[in-house]
Amino acid sequence: RKEVEQDPGPFNVPEGATVAFNCTYSNSASQSFFWYRQDCRKEPKLLMSVYSSGNEDGRFTAQLNRASQYISLLIRDSKLSDSATYLCVVILNDYKLSFGAGTTVTVRA
Amino acid sequence: DARVTQTPRHKVTEMGQEVTMRCQPILGHNTVFWYRQTMMQGLELLAYFRNRAPLDDSGMPKDRFSAEMPDATLATLKIQPSEPRDSAVYFCASTRTHNEQFFGPGTRLTVL
Repeated sequence: RKEVEQDPGPFNVPEGATVAFNCTYSNSASQSFFWYRQDCRKEPKLLMSVYSSGNEDGRFTAQLNRASQYISLLIRDSKLSDSATYLCVVILNDYKLSFGAGTTVTVRA
Repeated sequence: DARVTQTPRHKVTEMGQEVTMRCQPILGHNTVFWYRQTMMQGLELLAYFRNRAPLDDSGMPKDRFSAEMPDATLATLKIQPSEPRDSAVYFCASTRTHNEQFFGPGTRLTVL
Protein backbone atom coordinates (compact mmCIF):
# COMPACT_ATOMS: atom_id res chain seq x y z
CA ARG A 1 0.00 0.00 0.00
CA LYS A 2 1.28 3.45 -0.90
CA GLU A 3 1.95 5.84 1.96
CA VAL A 4 -0.11 8.57 0.35
CA GLU A 5 -2.96 7.97 -2.09
CA GLN A 6 -5.04 10.37 -4.12
CA ASP A 7 -7.88 9.98 -6.57
CA PRO A 8 -6.16 10.91 -9.85
CA GLY A 9 -9.35 12.35 -11.32
CA PRO A 10 -9.69 14.15 -13.60
CA PHE A 11 -12.38 16.26 -12.03
CA ASN A 12 -14.02 18.22 -14.83
CA VAL A 13 -16.14 21.05 -13.45
CA PRO A 14 -17.78 24.18 -14.88
CA GLU A 15 -16.66 27.62 -13.80
CA GLY A 16 -18.25 28.62 -10.54
CA ALA A 17 -18.69 25.07 -9.30
CA THR A 18 -17.34 23.63 -6.08
CA VAL A 19 -14.94 20.72 -6.29
CA ALA A 20 -13.50 18.69 -3.44
CA PHE A 21 -11.16 15.76 -3.21
CA ASN A 22 -9.23 13.80 -0.61
CA CYS A 23 -5.84 12.38 0.08
CA THR A 24 -5.41 9.41 2.39
CA TYR A 25 -2.27 8.52 4.29
CA SER A 26 -1.25 5.24 5.85
CA ASN A 27 0.88 6.23 8.82
CA SER A 28 -1.10 7.51 11.79
CA ALA A 29 2.05 9.12 13.22
CA SER A 30 2.27 11.58 10.32
CA GLN A 31 2.87 15.08 11.60
CA SER A 32 2.42 17.69 8.90
CA PHE A 33 0.30 18.02 5.81
CA PHE A 34 0.33 20.30 2.79
CA TRP A 35 -1.32 20.85 -0.55
CA TYR A 36 0.84 21.76 -3.54
CA ARG A 37 -0.32 22.84 -6.96
CA GLN A 38 1.39 21.85 -10.20
CA ASP A 39 0.57 23.39 -13.55
CA CYS A 40 1.25 21.47 -16.74
CA ARG A 41 5.00 21.15 -17.40
CA LYS A 42 5.84 23.33 -14.41
CA GLU A 43 7.24 22.71 -10.97
CA PRO A 44 5.02 22.12 -7.90
CA LYS A 45 4.33 25.15 -5.70
CA LEU A 46 2.94 25.29 -2.19
CA LEU A 47 -0.77 26.05 -2.15
CA MET A 48 -1.46 25.81 1.56
CA SER A 49 -0.63 24.02 4.77
CA VAL A 50 -3.28 21.87 6.43
CA TYR A 51 -3.95 22.46 10.11
CA SER A 52 -5.83 20.23 12.51
CA SER A 53 -8.55 22.81 12.95
CA GLY A 54 -8.95 23.27 9.21
CA ASN A 55 -8.00 26.40 7.37
CA GLU A 56 -9.15 28.64 4.56
CA ASP A 57 -7.30 30.72 2.04
CA GLY A 58 -9.76 32.62 -0.08
CA ARG A 59 -11.73 30.09 -2.11
CA PHE A 60 -9.66 27.16 -0.86
CA THR A 61 -10.42 25.17 2.28
CA ALA A 62 -8.22 22.43 3.64
CA GLN A 63 -9.26 19.94 6.32
CA LEU A 64 -7.49 17.23 8.25
CA ASN A 65 -9.24 14.16 9.62
CA ARG A 66 -6.77 12.30 11.79
CA ALA A 67 -9.24 9.62 12.86
CA SER A 68 -9.82 8.54 9.27
CA GLN A 69 -6.35 9.54 8.11
CA TYR A 70 -7.15 11.82 5.26
CA ILE A 71 -6.84 15.44 4.25
CA SER A 72 -9.16 17.24 1.91
CA LEU A 73 -9.13 20.25 -0.36
CA LEU A 74 -12.24 22.13 -1.39
CA ILE A 75 -12.27 24.79 -4.08
CA ARG A 76 -15.28 27.10 -4.17
CA ASP A 77 -16.38 29.22 -7.12
CA SER A 78 -13.90 27.51 -9.45
CA LYS A 79 -11.97 29.63 -11.93
CA LEU A 80 -10.41 28.56 -15.19
CA SER A 81 -7.05 29.33 -13.59
CA ASP A 82 -7.67 26.65 -10.95
CA SER A 83 -7.07 23.98 -13.60
CA ALA A 84 -4.00 22.13 -12.37
CA THR A 85 -2.85 19.02 -10.59
CA TYR A 86 -3.09 19.16 -6.81
CA LEU A 87 -0.53 17.16 -4.86
CA CYS A 88 -0.79 16.32 -1.18
CA VAL A 89 2.33 16.02 0.94
CA VAL A 90 2.50 14.11 4.19
CA ILE A 91 5.46 14.49 6.51
CA LEU A 92 6.07 11.64 8.91
CA ASN A 93 9.05 13.10 10.69
CA ASP A 94 12.16 15.08 10.04
CA TYR A 95 13.45 12.39 7.74
CA LYS A 96 10.45 11.06 5.91
CA LEU A 97 7.98 12.75 3.60
CA SER A 98 5.75 11.54 0.81
CA PHE A 99 3.96 13.16 -2.10
CA GLY A 100 0.70 11.86 -3.49
CA ALA A 101 0.47 11.21 -7.22
CA GLY A 102 -1.86 14.16 -7.67
CA THR A 103 -5.48 14.94 -8.48
CA THR A 104 -6.13 16.66 -11.79
CA VAL A 105 -8.77 19.36 -11.87
CA THR A 106 -10.03 20.87 -15.12
CA VAL A 107 -12.34 23.86 -14.95
CA ARG A 108 -14.25 24.52 -18.16
CA ALA A 109 -15.91 27.72 -19.33
CA ASP B 1 13.54 37.02 -6.14
CA ALA B 2 15.38 33.95 -4.86
CA ARG B 3 14.74 30.71 -6.66
CA VAL B 4 16.18 27.25 -7.15
CA THR B 5 18.02 26.84 -10.42
CA GLN B 6 18.63 23.61 -12.29
CA THR B 7 20.81 22.78 -15.27
CA PRO B 8 20.40 21.58 -17.89
CA ARG B 9 16.71 22.23 -18.47
CA HIS B 10 16.56 19.55 -21.16
CA LYS B 11 18.84 16.62 -21.85
CA VAL B 12 18.62 14.02 -24.58
CA THR B 13 21.16 11.24 -24.42
CA GLU B 14 21.70 7.70 -25.53
CA MET B 15 21.44 4.65 -23.37
CA GLY B 16 24.67 3.93 -21.52
CA GLN B 17 25.82 7.54 -21.34
CA GLU B 18 26.50 9.37 -18.10
CA VAL B 19 24.10 12.14 -17.15
CA THR B 20 24.83 14.80 -14.55
CA MET B 21 22.16 17.20 -13.35
CA ARG B 22 22.95 20.21 -11.22
CA CYS B 23 20.96 22.23 -8.74
CA GLN B 24 21.67 25.49 -6.97
CA PRO B 25 19.43 25.76 -3.90
CA ILE B 26 18.19 29.05 -2.53
CA LEU B 27 20.90 30.75 -0.49
CA GLY B 28 20.44 29.94 3.18
CA HIS B 29 18.35 26.83 2.62
CA ASN B 30 19.97 23.89 4.38
CA THR B 31 17.81 21.04 3.05
CA VAL B 32 17.89 19.91 -0.55
CA PHE B 33 15.70 17.29 -2.21
CA TRP B 34 15.90 15.40 -5.49
CA TYR B 35 12.67 14.13 -7.03
CA ARG B 36 11.79 12.26 -10.19
CA GLN B 37 8.41 12.66 -11.86
CA THR B 38 6.87 10.42 -14.49
CA MET B 39 3.30 10.01 -15.68
CA MET B 40 3.18 6.48 -14.32
CA GLN B 41 4.78 6.98 -10.90
CA GLY B 42 4.07 10.59 -10.09
CA LEU B 43 6.56 12.49 -7.94
CA GLU B 44 9.08 10.21 -6.25
CA LEU B 45 11.59 11.33 -3.65
CA LEU B 46 15.03 10.07 -4.64
CA ALA B 47 17.25 11.57 -1.98
CA TYR B 48 17.67 14.49 0.33
CA PHE B 49 20.39 16.31 2.20
CA ARG B 50 20.52 18.46 5.27
CA ASN B 51 23.53 20.65 5.84
CA ARG B 52 25.10 18.77 2.91
CA ALA B 53 24.80 15.39 4.65
CA PRO B 54 22.64 12.73 2.95
CA LEU B 55 19.64 11.91 5.16
CA ASP B 56 17.62 9.59 3.01
CA ASP B 57 18.44 8.10 -0.37
CA SER B 58 16.25 5.02 -0.06
CA GLY B 59 14.27 6.06 -3.12
CA MET B 60 17.28 6.06 -5.37
CA PRO B 61 18.47 3.08 -7.44
CA LYS B 62 21.91 2.68 -5.90
CA ASP B 63 23.55 0.80 -8.70
CA ARG B 64 23.37 3.64 -11.20
CA PHE B 65 22.34 6.79 -9.36
CA SER B 66 24.43 8.94 -7.06
CA ALA B 67 23.70 12.25 -5.36
CA GLU B 68 26.15 14.62 -3.75
CA MET B 69 26.48 18.11 -2.36
CA PRO B 70 30.05 19.22 -2.97
CA ASP B 71 29.23 22.51 -1.26
CA ALA B 72 26.24 24.39 0.10
CA THR B 73 25.50 26.02 -3.24
CA LEU B 74 25.56 22.93 -5.45
CA ALA B 75 23.78 19.60 -5.47
CA THR B 76 24.36 17.02 -8.19
CA LEU B 77 22.50 13.95 -9.35
CA LYS B 78 24.37 11.56 -11.57
CA ILE B 79 23.15 8.57 -13.55
CA GLN B 80 25.73 6.18 -14.91
CA PRO B 81 24.94 4.33 -17.11
CA SER B 82 21.61 5.83 -18.14
CA GLU B 83 18.73 3.68 -19.35
CA PRO B 84 15.53 4.53 -21.25
CA ARG B 85 13.47 3.93 -18.09
CA ASP B 86 15.30 6.86 -16.48
CA SER B 87 13.47 9.23 -18.81
CA ALA B 88 11.58 11.62 -16.55
CA VAL B 89 11.57 15.14 -15.17
CA TYR B 90 14.02 15.51 -12.30
CA PHE B 91 13.22 18.24 -9.80
CA CYS B 92 15.41 19.72 -7.14
CA ALA B 93 13.82 21.51 -4.20
CA SER B 94 15.22 23.34 -1.21
CA THR B 95 13.89 24.55 2.10
CA ARG B 96 14.92 25.90 5.49
CA THR B 97 12.13 24.00 7.21
CA HIS B 98 9.59 21.43 6.10
CA ASN B 99 6.90 24.08 5.83
CA GLU B 100 7.53 24.96 2.23
CA GLN B 101 9.73 23.41 -0.39
CA PHE B 102 10.80 25.59 -3.28
CA PHE B 103 11.17 23.64 -6.48
CA GLY B 104 13.44 24.32 -9.38
CA PRO B 105 12.10 24.24 -12.96
CA GLY B 106 13.28 20.67 -13.45
CA THR B 107 15.52 18.84 -15.88
CA ARG B 108 13.62 16.97 -18.58
CA LEU B 109 15.68 13.89 -19.35
CA THR B 110 15.15 11.66 -22.37
CA VAL B 111 17.27 8.54 -22.71
CA LEU B 112 17.06 6.97 -26.16
